[in-house]
Amino acid sequence: QKEVEQNSGPLSVPEGAIASLNCTYSDRGSQSFFWYRQYSGKSPELIMSIYSNGDKEDGRFTAQLNKASQYVSLLIRDSQPSDSATYLCAVNSFSGGGADGLTFGKGTHLIIQP
Amino acid sequence: NAGVMQNPRHLVRRRGQEARLRCSPMKGHSHVYWYRQLPEEGLKFMVYLQKENIIDESGMPKERFSAEFPKEGPSILRIQQVVRGDSAAYFCASSPPTSRETQYFGPGTRLLVL
Repeated sequence: QKEVEQNSGPLSVPEGAIASLNCTYSDRGSQSFFWYRQYSGKSPELIMSIYSNGDKEDGRFTAQLNKASQYVSLLIRDSQPSDSATYLCAVNSFSGGGADGLTFGKGTHLIIQP
Repeated sequence: NAGVMQNPRHLVRRRGQEARLRCSPMKGHSHVYWYRQLPEEGLKFMVYLQKENIIDESGMPKERFSAEFPKEGPSILRIQQVVRGDSAAYFCASSPPTSRETQYFGPGTRLLVL
């Protein structure tokens, strides 16, 4: 049973600070890792993908992957009130001979305080 | 470039009726995934399809649920004899052939069973 764990929050961060979101996963065979942002009542929006150990930066977002620790994180620099949303960590293991669907965590609710 | 399209956006059914949810993938995308998001729960993978083929249906309930992606037209998720527990948001995602694991989500269909 593949599992993806996230702290549900809410995580409250002052505007302008760095928000740090964490995720652990159970399947060591996992190969692809994603962060989605979901506003209330809306659909998930892909914001970052990462496939190899280390850091990947895109604008204000940095994804970090440590496969040995089975740990993925997302850093949001210079947090803005518009970053307030639920952040979903998703993992793909490509098991079963085909491209499986993504396994999602339940998400971390992030609140940026003006 | 139009994104993933889903309709209807909201669907109300009485217990025992059938629900049909439609999904048109992004232009150039040949892979379609269906997910369900129950209230206060994470996104759960249901089924992965390519044109005229079901590739992975490991997340589909064994009864009442079926999916298809015909050669022409949208993908359809069909729920027969709906029950109140089927009330959820159903999201479709699509991915390009060159990057199957990178999935982009549609706006979702909110199903309410009375």
